[in-house]
Order: sequence, then C-alpha cells, then structure tokens
Amino acid sequence: NAGVTQTPKFQVLKTGQSMTLQCAQDMNHNSMYWYRQDPGMGLRLIYYSASEGTTDKGEVPNGYNVSRLNKREFSLRLESAAPSQTSVYFCASSEPGQGVGYTFGSGTRLTVV
Amino acid sequence: GQQLNQSPQSMFIQEGEDVSMNCTSSSIFNTWLWYKQDPGEGPVLLIALYKAGELTSNGRLTAQFGITRKDSFLNISASIPSDVGIYFCAGRLALGGTSYGKLTFGQGTILTVHP
Repeated sequence: NAGVTQTPKFQVLKTGQSMTLQCAQDMNHNSMYWYRQDPGMGLRLIYYSASEGTTDKGEVPNGYNVSRLNKREFSLRLESAAPSQTSVYFCASSEPGQGVGYTFGSGTRLTVV
Repeated sequence: GQQLNQSPQSMFIQEGEDVSMNCTSSSIFNTWLWYKQDPGEGPVLLIALYKAGELTSNGRLTAQFGITRKDSFLNISASIPSDVGIYFCAGRLALGGTSYGKLTFGQGTILTVHP
C-alpha cells in the first residue's frame, strides 16, 4: 500500500521555467491537498480539491495552478517559476469529515535559481 | 486565515528528558491532531483528539484536547534520539466555520535530542 506518491523528489528550475508536480493516492480518498513548507512558516495550503472535479484556492495560491485529473491524481503546476517558490511541496489526501486526518506524501524539494 | 500558535518553536533536550509543547487558537476546534515529520519525509499522524477534555496516549506520547476547545498539548516522556523531528499540531474548525473540513496547521516545533 503506497499511500500518497509524489514525483519528482527533487527538482532544480531556472527562473521562468515551468513544471508540474505529480501526486497520486491509492486510498480511494475524495479530498486532496497541496501544501508548501518553508522554515518557520509551517505548512501553508496552496490549493485543495474536496472531491473529483472541484478545486479551490488555499492560503497561498498565487503563481500556481492545479488539476484534479481523476480521483487518484492531483497535480500542481508552476507556469513561470520564481525564486520565492523555492520550497518543499507536500501533497496530502483524506476522506472529508470531521474525524479524519491527512495522509501526506514524502515531498518534492524544489529549488528555483 | 485561521492561525494556530504553536510553542515552543524549537527545543534542545537531553535523552531521557520529558518534552511538552502546545498549540493555542482564538477559534474553537472540533478536532485536534498531532503530526511528526522526520527529516526528508512528510508528516505522519501521531495522535487524534475529538472531544474537549480528551486525553489520549500513544506509547510515550500523551496529548490532550483543551476544555475550551481552543488549545491542545503534546507530551513526550523519556525522550530518545529517534524522537528528533518537527512536531505539528493541526486543528479542524467547529461546524459552521468557512474552513470546515480543512485542517489548519501550527508552525511546528523542532525537537533536537542529544544522546
């Protein structure tokens, strides 16, 4: 049981380049999330998808787009990378409801130079 | 957005010591969760709390859901080197809040354990 799988694990981009971070879960969860983690800032929500076919902005959506491709997959796209987007990105999934926590992937460490 | 104030930001302790950290908010939460993040990995759920006053243990870890529903604490007893990592609190707002369903995370407590 793989849980939440993120690819790639590491990536270096030049300013202005684009890329897509991939996330897939095999737990049949309805909700999926993208977070970024920066030192001293904790986990900040970028975008989330409450269910297949829906996406909503989180706390820090600027510079990002997402696609909920199907129930399993939720991708995050940087159209024109900026140094401020250097961070560790985590994907998570859950079943909606008040009693359940999130399952996280192992992260993508992105550096924009 | 909603904020959880987690403290302390970091702790440096000797192996064998007990550890305590907490989270507070100005809002009422109906769920409190504690996660641990090992270096290079994603956060992993340690303990979940669902009722005000609830006290739950998981091995050497004990967490409590505050009576006011605005705070929670995590204790680690007799720390060992593998306790090193970042600990996050997370809360889910009570029904009726605009953020219902989504978790809000604290800033994290970085724990270092010296052998």
